[in-house]
Amino acid sequence: KAGVTQTPRYLIKTRGQQVTLSCSPISGHRSVSWYQQTPGQGLQFLFEYFSETQRNKGNFPGRFSGRQFSNSRSEMNVSTLELGDSALYLCASSTRTGESEQYFGPGTRLTVT
Amino acid sequence: GQSLEQPSEVTAVEGAIVQINCTYQTSGFYGLSWYQQHDGGAPTFLSYNALDGLEETGRFSSFLSRSDSYGYLLLQELQMKDSASYFCAVTGNTDKLIFGTGTRLQVFP
Repeated sequence: KAGVTQTPRYLIKTRGQQVTLSCSPISGHRSVSWYQQTPGQGLQFLFEYFSETQRNKGNFPGRFSGRQFSNSRSEMNVSTLELGDSALYLCASSTRTGESEQYFGPGTRLTVT
Repeated sequence: GQSLEQPSEVTAVEGAIVQINCTYQTSGFYGLSWYQQHDGGAPTFLSYNALDGLEETGRFSSFLSRSDSYGYLLLQELQMKDSASYFCAVTGNTDKLIFGTGTRLQVFP
């Protein structure tokens, strides 16, 4: 069974631009969660989607948004990029919401200059 | 709210035993998970404890005390490949998986 895939793997953007990241979950997994990882901050929960509905949201500004499609693939969008948005963005899939065992993709490394 | 505390760094030598502690605060606690992340890699699930006690999986064991809001990951017979960051994470009645800031384990020969 193929693992979680994320595209692109690396991205360089300038301040003020917007970016869209994509995540394809493991086949059969309907829940997709997104996390931001920065040095010293661990993994910060962004949001979780299940069956095309946002089920949970973390404490991030409205510039961060996401969506999920009928095939469970998910995208997250960050608008008006700031330098502080530079991070590794990880998505994880699982069979249900709030699952403790999640399967992570390799992440998208976003650098904002 | 939810918060977790774990040491930022732990060092040990090959063959030794190391314990990584995690204390947590959360509403409606469901369980404590542990993840491993090698540099440049994705986090991978190691274990989950919902009930008090010790769960053993090969060289790794995880312990939970719900009354103390405390858990630990025990790594035995350390190998160089165990050098990685280890994260504890809790699930509670918010249905979110909330991670600690991670413990970097360095194993020396």
